[in-house]
Amino acid sequence: ETGVTQTPRHLVMGMTNKKSLKCEQHLGHNAMYWYKQSAKKPLELMFVYNFKEQTENNSVPSRFSPECPNSSHLFLHLHTLQPEDSALYLCASSQDMRGETQYFGPGTRLLVL
Amino acid sequence: QKEVEQDPGPLSVPEGAIVSLNCTYSNSAFQYFMWYRQYSRKGPELLMYTYSSGNKEDGRFTAQVDKSSKYISLFIRDSQPSDSATYLCAMSARQAGTALIFGKGTTLSVSS
Repeated sequence: ETGVTQTPRHLVMGMTNKKSLKCEQHLGHNAMYWYKQSAKKPLELMFVYNFKEQTENNSVPSRFSPECPNSSHLFLHLHTLQPEDSALYLCASSQDMRGETQYFGPGTRLLVL
Repeated sequence: QKEVEQDPGPLSVPEGAIVSLNCTYSNSAFQYFMWYRQYSRKGPELLMYTYSSGNKEDGRFTAQVDKSSKYISLFIRDSQPSDSATYLCAMSARQAGTALIFGKGTTLSVSS
């Protein structure tokens, strides 16, 4: 595997389900990001991790819970989501947290019923 | 005023046309400018990267930065149907603790 990978690529879940999104980067980067991309809206930065430490949480509801066990892996745990949470969830990584170029994964398309 | 402004389009052109995509920004500290291309249902991919003012060319693509006007452009020559995608500009000040700031993206459709 090369670059940034995300699993699953598609996910359908009910509002009472609990699921997790996984991201893995094979670039040796130290910073990882979660973005939400809804139709007709710009990328929304959700969480940032730098050297496994969370450095940013952009007022994201607590039903989204990130986890970064090491610099290569990032998870987004989901529980009791709402239909408006349906979107493309993108993971990205960069060398560090100095405004570096970010490399994106293919995204997980989430549908909440 | 938002930090980065980008007309969402959509922009429709015939094959072979020259396409101009633009972003304006307000933060004079931005020094690094990027263009990403995002195909439908895919993640954004880095297309062009430029530092400070000037032009950078890569094949049919030219990125232009005018820091005095706080304006960046991406030109696509001899556009192809495969160029149909959403183009996002992104920029940063390359300071510790900062992340990229993205535009909304412009949707381009090239018809054959």
